[in-house]
Parts: sequence; C-alpha cells; structure tokens
Amino acid sequence: GAGVSQSPSNKVTEKGKDVELRCDPISGHTALYWYRQSLGQGLEFLIYFQGNSAPDKSGLPSDRFSAERTGGSVSTLTIQRTQQEDSAVYLCASSLALGGDTQYFGPGTRLTVL
Amino acid sequence: AQSVAQPEDQVNVAEGNPLTVKCTYSVSGNPYLFWYVQYPNRGLQFLLKYITGDNLVKGSYGFEAEFNKSQTSFHLKKPSALVSDSALYFCAARGADTGRRALTFGSGTRLQVQP
Repeated sequence: GAGVSQSPSNKVTEKGKDVELRCDPISGHTALYWYRQSLGQGLEFLIYFQGNSAPDKSGLPSDRFSAERTGGSVSTLTIQRTQQEDSAVYLCASSLALGGDTQYFGPGTRLTVL
Repeated sequence: AQSVAQPEDQVNVAEGNPLTVKCTYSVSGNPYLFWYVQYPNRGLQFLLKYITGDNLVKGSYGFEAEFNKSQTSFHLKKPSALVSDSALYFCAARGADTGRRALTFGSGTRLQVQP
C-alpha cells in the first residue's frame, strides 16, 4: 500500500485479556517503530525494529508488552493481561533508516480497556 | 537524555494572521528535528524536518520552521493562517550522532485558527 496501515482501528477489551495490534509498514522501509499516545499526552516510544538487528525495546513499559516483526515486514504488538492504564492510541511508523530519514505514521489503533 | 518542550498548550490566531508554534529541544550532539500535524482521529502527518544546511526549512501547506542552534529552538511558522490549519502540532527530535533512532516528542500544541 501507499502508506502505513494498522489494524484494528479500534479495539475494546476487558481488563486481563490479551490483545494483538498489527502494523503493515510502507514497502521497502526497513525500520519500524511503535509509539503510544495516551489521552491528552504526547507520544511515547515503545520499540524499534531495524532489519535483522536486535530490536530496541527500551521504551516498553512492562514485561506485559512485547512485539515481533516477521520477515522484516509486518509487526505485531502484543499486550498481555491488559490493564486500564494501557488504554491509548498505539501508533506505528516506518522509515528507510538512512540518516535523517522521516518516520511515516499509520492511523493508529485506539485501545480501550474496560 | 533527550527532551522536547512545547511551552504552549494552545495557540489562537485569526485567519490571515501569521502564526508561530514554539519548540525547544535538548539532544546530545547535532539534532534532527521534525514537525508533525495531527487532525482529529487521524495519525501523524509529516510537515517538515531539519537535518543540516539552511536554518530555514520549508515544508508542506506553506509551513516553515527556523532552526536556531544557540537557542536550541525549532519554531514552526506560517505567514498567513487558514481555518483548516486548526489541528494538534507535535515537535520531535533525535540526536544525529547517536544510534538511537526513536523520536522524542513534545507534548503537542493545539492550534486554533478563528475565521
């Protein structure tokens, strides 16, 4: 596709359930990023993938959060045992990973934990 | 540690007037600086960036930003505001000389352009 796509666009879940969020980056982009935007706040970095290198997980808030990127393309962010404070918009971005490259963002997944 | 500050939660301007949205940053070494805009229920849309070279950067929709190294600022400007410019604007930064590619974002500034 022309841009970064994410699914689902909205997800409502019950506290304690696991959720999976999907990101499909721009074709040819080797770098993929996950950020979280909580209500009324800025964006918080979660995790970054670059090619076959080990991901930068320094932003993950707890061990309930994990992500994988299969085949250097699609990525899945998994949140286990969701808590109400996990409610946020989860944004995915991709880039060429060259110098001062631009990160292009998807539309986000709005997660609501009841 | 990197940080980005957007000191104004909201900026109000009349249509046709010039607008400025302020941003200051703190990164190690040389910075890469970005502005993004977010419309309601939408993702972030790239506006412009400073990598190197000319301190005045021109971007989409008539926006521009001026990099000031001594003041560590990267303010977003537009000579004549449109009602359609009303949105949430984010400044972001990362160090050019580090291996960390994640962006650090400011808290956002809501721009309200009144007709």
